[in-house]
Amino acid sequence: DADVTQTPRNRITKTGKRIMLECSQTKGHDRMYWYRQDPGLGLRLIYYSFDVKDINKGEISDGYSVSRQAQAKFSLSLESAIPNQTALYFCATSAAYTQYFGPGTRLTVL
Amino acid sequence: AQSVTQLDSQVPVFEEAPVELRCNYSSSVSVYLFWYVQYPNQGLQLLLKYLSGSTLVKGINGFEAEFNKSQTSFHLRKPSVHISDTAEYFCAVIPDGSGNTGKLIFGQGTTLQVKP
Repeated sequence: DADVTQTPRNRITKTGKRIMLECSQTKGHDRMYWYRQDPGLGLRLIYYSFDVKDINKGEISDGYSVSRQAQAKFSLSLESAIPNQTALYFCATSAAYTQYFGPGTRLTVL
Repeated sequence: AQSVTQLDSQVPVFEEAPVELRCNYSSSVSVYLFWYVQYPNQGLQLLLKYLSGSTLVKGINGFEAEFNKSQTSFHLRKPSVHISDTAEYFCAVIPDGSGNTGKLIFGQGTTLQVKP
């Protein structure tokens, strides 16, 4: 089984809808991250968390919120989705300067 | 601000030929440097990393990279590529002094296309 899992893998939604992307990990890492990937821009950090009580904004947090329900679970929410949030979203954990990525969620906002 | 530039967006190469993917970063302090690979429809996985010590770093699948502090570069090389190396490659840094957050700054990515 994969160490970092993301659900759903694909999602199509409409402008204005609330959507949640979920991430779970079995690596036992405290640090978790959410990134979005856009063609030609690489990956950009949305939020990161060092433990359940420690959540921090990344470089592009506007329009997003997160919840760290447990060490193993880190969810990303779009309160009111807009078309420019169409992207590939990755969750990651880290330890010893190495990040471990989930398979990604492809989100399309119409 | 810290930034990472990958100088080529696409690199086409024939199978068994050598390849170099170029990465430059802007920083006046020491950094930790990484190359990640993303195969089609998959997440990223670590190829190799430089934290300290020898400037020539060897990674998985026959890749290596050399840290050049004076040129602020961390180019990725492989002497002979295979079809299975077709993927997108990302250079990334953790700026030293970032408080051990582990945050990564990524380059724009380079698509390696290996042709038969």
